[in-house]
Amino acid sequence: NAGVTQTPKFRILKIGQSMTLQCTQDMNHNYMYWYRQDPGMGLKLIYYSVGAGITDKGEVPNGYNVSRSTTEDFPLRLELAAPSQTSVYFCASSYEGQGTGYEKLFFGSGTQLSVL
Amino acid sequence: GQNIDQPTEMTATEGAIVQINCTYQTSGFNGLFWYQQHAGEAPTFLSYNVLDGLEEKGRFSSFLSRSKGYSYLLLKELQMKDSASYLCAVRDSNYQLIWGAGTKLIIKP
Repeated sequence: NAGVTQTPKFRILKIGQSMTLQCTQDMNHNYMYWYRQDPGMGLKLIYYSVGAGITDKGEVPNGYNVSRSTTEDFPLRLELAAPSQTSVYFCASSYEGQGTGYEKLFFGSGTQLSVL
Repeated sequence: GQNIDQPTEMTATEGAIVQINCTYQTSGFNGLFWYQQHAGEAPTFLSYNVLDGLEEKGRFSSFLSRSKGYSYLLLKELQMKDSASYLCAVRDSNYQLIWGAGTKLIIKP
């Protein structure tokens, strides 16, 4: 069982470069999320998706874009990378979204991104 | 604003019991989660509380008091592998998860 697969694991970008963080899940989950985790702070939601073709902004969407063309894939695009985007990024998925009981999140292994 | 408070770091001894507290102030409440995160790894789900009281799952238990905006995670018979960060998260009225910064638990032999 692969679960949530996230690539790459590490990446160093120069200011102004762009890149895509890949995320795929094989659990047929409806909901997918992108979080960033900074030292001493809670996870912050960047974008989320409730199904193929539907995405919405989270708490900190500026500087990022997403797409959800299939149930399985939810890539995160960084345009014009800035030092403030240095962080650990986690993709996550859940089967049920809101109001239907508890939805535990399944996380990918994370991407450590440095923008220099 | 919405806020989740947890101690930054705690130290406990192998074989002992430790209680990690979480207090929250959120716009609405639709459940509280605890996740475990080992250093350099992804968070993994531990427990969920939506009603007041204690939920027990093996060595781990989680308690919730909605009226006090308070939860705790109780870890018994501590093992070295329990050294990790423990994240508290609350689902608000919009069903968005608000995360605490996490409590780093250090287990000493």
